[in-house]
Amino acid sequence: GAGVSQSPRYKVAKRGQDVALRCDPISGHVSLFWYQQALGQGPEFLTYFQNEAQLDKSGLPSDRFFAERPEGSVSTLKIQRTQQEDSAVYLCASSGQAYSYEQYFGPGTRLTVT
Amino acid sequence: SQQGEEDPQALSIQEGENATMNCSYKTSINNLQWYRQNSGRGLVHLILIRSNEREKHSGRLRVTLDTSKKSSSLLITASRAADTASYFCATENAGNMLTFGGGTRLMVKP
Repeated sequence: GAGVSQSPRYKVAKRGQDVALRCDPISGHVSLFWYQQALGQGPEFLTYFQNEAQLDKSGLPSDRFFAERPEGSVSTLKIQRTQQEDSAVYLCASSGQAYSYEQYFGPGTRLTVT
Repeated sequence: SQQGEEDPQALSIQEGENATMNCSYKTSINNLQWYRQNSGRGLVHLILIRSNEREKHSGRLRVTLDTSKKSSSLLITASRAADTASYFCATENAGNMLTFGGGTRLMVKP
């Protein structure tokens, strides 16, 4: 079956532009996570949805970052007024359960802010 | 911030040898998971060990967990060139999200 997909795979934005990153989780998965991975480092948690409810957004680095999952399936991570420090790979993951289960990761979106 | 520290940061071995990677973490956990990431690709789940388990096997993988020392190890036996990747430990606590370590970059030479 289809895994988690993300689009676009690569995005180049000029500093100050807004970007929107899309995640299509595995069909029926309840939980959806966004992570940010800087070059050479492990992923860092950004935010978590259970169905359409955003239960944790403690990892979002600033109020320029906004995520939504309005119908409990597809999710969008939006970054307003991008800065160079936003350059990273943004990973989306989904899980079929709410607790203590493996997460299935998408290939990520590599964002480069110039 | 990242909870886990992985050791070593990089490891280079010959095909057929065993590879051992270690992970330490700071807070109490529900479970600990190991993931693999090939260059430019997403993370692939390898194995999950719950906080009340001490050892788990999956094929050529063996994971141990010592909650008293807040540490885990991943052993890959009889390594293959295809095992070349970065390996991350990740802990799950009550918050559901995963907290990753910095990773070990493994190179297996044919």
